[in-house]
Amino acid sequence: QKEVEQDPGPLSVPEGAIVSLNCTYSNSAFQYFMWYRQYSRKGPELLMYTYSSGNKEDGRFTAQVDKSSKYISLFIRDSQPSDSATYLCAMYSGGGADGLTFGKGTHLIIQP
Amino acid sequence: DGGITQSPKYLFRKEGQNVTLSCEQNLNHDAMYWYRQDPGQGLRLIYYSQIVNDFQKGDIAEGYSVSREKKESFPLTVTSAQKNPTAFYLCASSPRSVNEQFFGPGTRLTVL
Repeated sequence: QKEVEQDPGPLSVPEGAIVSLNCTYSNSAFQYFMWYRQYSRKGPELLMYTYSSGNKEDGRFTAQVDKSSKYISLFIRDSQPSDSATYLCAMYSGGGADGLTFGKGTHLIIQP
Repeated sequence: DGGITQSPKYLFRKEGQNVTLSCEQNLNHDAMYWYRQDPGQGLRLIYYSQIVNDFQKGDIAEGYSVSREKKESFPLTVTSAQKNPTAFYLCASSPRSVNEQFFGPGTRLTVL
C-alpha cells in the first residue's frame, strides 16, 4: 500500500463548478498537509498549508483535513479555465525541514 | 525579486557522462531539497540539506551527489551510476522551522 493515494484523473468539469480533489494516506504520523498546483512543464506552486483537522479557506480554495479518517481534500469554488492544472497533495510528519511525501497528482480540466 | 532559480532549463546527457544541475535561492531559506518527477508520478526526494555543509539522502539518492557550500546554492550532480536519469528535476527551499517548500521552475534532463 502506497503511503499517499491520489486519483490521477483526468477530472473534467464545466467552468463555474465546485471541484473536489482528495488524497488518502496511511501513515498516522503525518501531521502537516499541503496542496500544490503544477502547470505543465513548470514547478509546483504552493496553494495551501495546514496542520490541524478542520477547514482552512483562502479565496476560492478550501483545504479540509480529517486526521481520524486519514483523508484530506481541496475544494475549488467558481472554477476557472486557468485552474486547469495538476494538483498535488503533500504531507510530512516532523516540525522541521524534512522531505515531503507527495501523491501522484490529479489532472484537472476546467471546460469553458 | 525573491525566488528560486534552476539552470539549465533543458539538459541533454550522453551515456556515461556526469552532469550538474544548478539551484540558487535568494529567500534566505536554511533548507533546500532536490526532487525527481517522472511522468504520471509524484515527486520523489533525492537529497535535502537543512544547513550549510550538511545534507541527507532521500528516498532515491543512488546515482546522485550534492554539495552545500553556500546557503544560497545546492547543486545536484547526476552521475553515470544513475541508470535511468531522464526525468524532470525540481529544487525547493524552505525555512528550517516551518516546512513550507517553494519550488523552482525545474530542469528537464534527457539522456541521449
